[in-house]
Amino acid sequence: EPEVTQTPSHQVTQMGQEVILRCVPISNHLYFYWYRQILGQKVEFLVSFYNNEISEKSEIFDDQFSVERPDGSNFTLKIRSTKLEDSAMYFCASTGETYGYTFGSGTRLTVV
Amino acid sequence: GDSVTQMEGPVTLSEEAFLTINCTYTATGYPSLFWYVQYPGEGLQLLLKATKADDKGSNKGFEATYRKETTSFHLEKGSVQVSDSAVYFCALWLSGAGSYQLTFGKGTKLSVIP
Repeated sequence: EPEVTQTPSHQVTQMGQEVILRCVPISNHLYFYWYRQILGQKVEFLVSFYNNEISEKSEIFDDQFSVERPDGSNFTLKIRSTKLEDSAMYFCASTGETYGYTFGSGTRLTVV
Repeated sequence: GDSVTQMEGPVTLSEEAFLTINCTYTATGYPSLFWYVQYPGEGLQLLLKATKADDKGSNKGFEATYRKETTSFHLEKGSVQVSDSAVYFCALWLSGAGSYQLTFGKGTKLSVIP
């Protein structure tokens, strides 16, 4: 069964540093997403991406966040200057023409 | 805005016990409703879904019925197994302007002991 792959599974970074979280969506899917889950809290939508541009974003997705699909297969989330409160599990997901979310296993980001 | 409320965990049950995890929602329209499961160290997997009122979603012995009158989508299983230990998330999707955004509840951790 096709999978969404996320790397790394765990990233530790110092406050103020830039991090890039990587995702390989399912190859024939058209919509790509990032969600995050702060420990003990709900899974929250960050951004959706379609046709090489952001189609929707939440208020969490401020100027320190950006997404990119640099090479037709990878889908990345960049956090420019990490803060302690960015520590969370970040999930990538993709969907095809018919509804069917497939999530990756997540990247746990720890900002110290 | 749209929201999902599910019962606080953790829930600890003995094997073969009956499981109910409550989920209620608030939405401006008629959402589709989902239960996702996250096993330790893994991603979010779709467990079951229902797209309209009175639909019953079922999978792996789990069931949930879309109740519009009570705005609920409670998850049930008649006899849980140790392998059901996971975190369960209730979610809704309200289509509109091409949005595929899911709104999640906080998750309920289930531990099943032998």
